[in-house]
Amino acid sequence: RKEVEQDPGPFNVPEGATVAFNCTYSNSASQSFFWYRQDCRKEPKLLMSVYSSGNEDGRFTAQLNRASQYISLLIRDSKLSDSATYLCVVRPRSHSGGSNYKLTFGKGTLLTVNP
Amino acid sequence: ETGVTQSPTHLIKTRGQQVTLRCSSQSGHNTVSWYQQALGQGPQFIFQYYREEENGRGNFPPRFSGLQFPNYSSELNVNALELDDSALYLCASSWAGTSGGTFNEQFFGPGTRLTVL
Repeated sequence: RKEVEQDPGPFNVPEGATVAFNCTYSNSASQSFFWYRQDCRKEPKLLMSVYSSGNEDGRFTAQLNRASQYISLLIRDSKLSDSATYLCVVRPRSHSGGSNYKLTFGKGTLLTVNP
Repeated sequence: ETGVTQSPTHLIKTRGQQVTLRCSSQSGHNTVSWYQQALGQGPQFIFQYYREEENGRGNFPPRFSGLQFPNYSSELNVNALELDDSALYLCASSWAGTSGGTFNEQFFGPGTRLTVL
């Protein structure tokens, strides 16, 4: 089983649509959770962190269910500029001695928002 | 712009050759992580450097090695290149605190696209 699994996509939606991305992770000791956005042939950029209480940033809402090991991202009123690959990212608990340690990425889900 | 720079931007090598990729971390950052992103896949963690020492490694063979310098810049070296090494190589820098135990956002550079023929 892969450490982080996402909807395979791709998603093609019209402007203004609501789109949901789903992600599951296998390591129950995972500590931090994120959604990254990656534009074509560019580097990944942090979109938002995901907290157990759920969090919202404008049109974007992220949810975390630790019991189900499930993470989601909802984009409301999608814009053309939202077209990108969305990467679900998990960070394990820091090992002894401390460090930032690694980020584990899902494969990503490509979103295309059409006019 | 994240302030993380990588060189070169593109590189073409043949099987069996060796390659060195370079990364300059963002000012004030002391940790560099390297990732490999094959086409159509998410980035995969190669290793991380903190205070010039490897501090965590992913599932990559020993022919993938690295260095971190006193100014926190870093190199990724790959020996005996294979066709499957063709990928985008990303470095990410972050501030891990004075003891290395603090997690902060990792900022990615634009990557080096390596093609192995």
